[in-house]
Amino acid sequence: GAVVSQHPSWVICKSGTSVKIECRSLDFQATTMFWYRQFPKQSLMLMATSNEGSKATYEQGVEKDKFLINHASLTLSTLTVTSAHPEDSSFYICSATEALHGELFFGEGSRLTVL
Amino acid sequence: GENVEQHPSTLSVQEGDSAVIKCTYSDSASNYFPWYKQELGKGPQLIIDIRSNVGEKKDQRIAVTLNKTAKHFSLHITETQPEDSAVYFCAARTSGAGSYQLTFGKGTKLSVIP
Repeated sequence: GAVVSQHPSWVICKSGTSVKIECRSLDFQATTMFWYRQFPKQSLMLMATSNEGSKATYEQGVEKDKFLINHASLTLSTLTVTSAHPEDSSFYICSATEALHGELFFGEGSRLTVL
Repeated sequence: GENVEQHPSTLSVQEGDSAVIKCTYSDSASNYFPWYKQELGKGPQLIIDIRSNVGEKKDQRIAVTLNKTAKHFSLHITETQPEDSAVYFCAARTSGAGSYQLTFGKGTKLSVIP
């Protein structure tokens, strides 16, 4: 299947700093990418939908100034957690839709720990 | 909007036995139903999917069935192996107007006992 690469796979940062997570579709162009947050033993919680060349659409309750999303090209979307706090510690996962068949592929996830 | 219910939340089977996970959806317009396998600490991996114009699809030990009338679909794993142990998520999507957003079930933790 198609490959979605997510980087970094894990990151530890101090409270108050910002962290950027990258999501790349390696062998297909993705006009739409999604960002999820997953708490332990829970399902995926959609945070936002990222469309290439336009502003991201955030789900209710997700702070757009806290979680900055940029989708500058057809193969790259980034999520920046600004002024991170311990409660932002979580597993963040991106996904990208392969436009031809509509299949959705996930990245490997990024484990964020804020001290 | 779409609502997806998934059962059971946990499932333990003996190696070699079959495992069945069931999902129901609410939006009759949904037409794409993928299944994902998520191992600990990793992102979900697409293992099989089915579209509304098909009633059943099989890929080696994995099969998915769809009943559009009853609005439910199921994942069947035969001859289970320890490496099948993971969390499985079903999802549903209503395609249209460029929308690719999936609605996920809450997941089933499958444990295959050697």
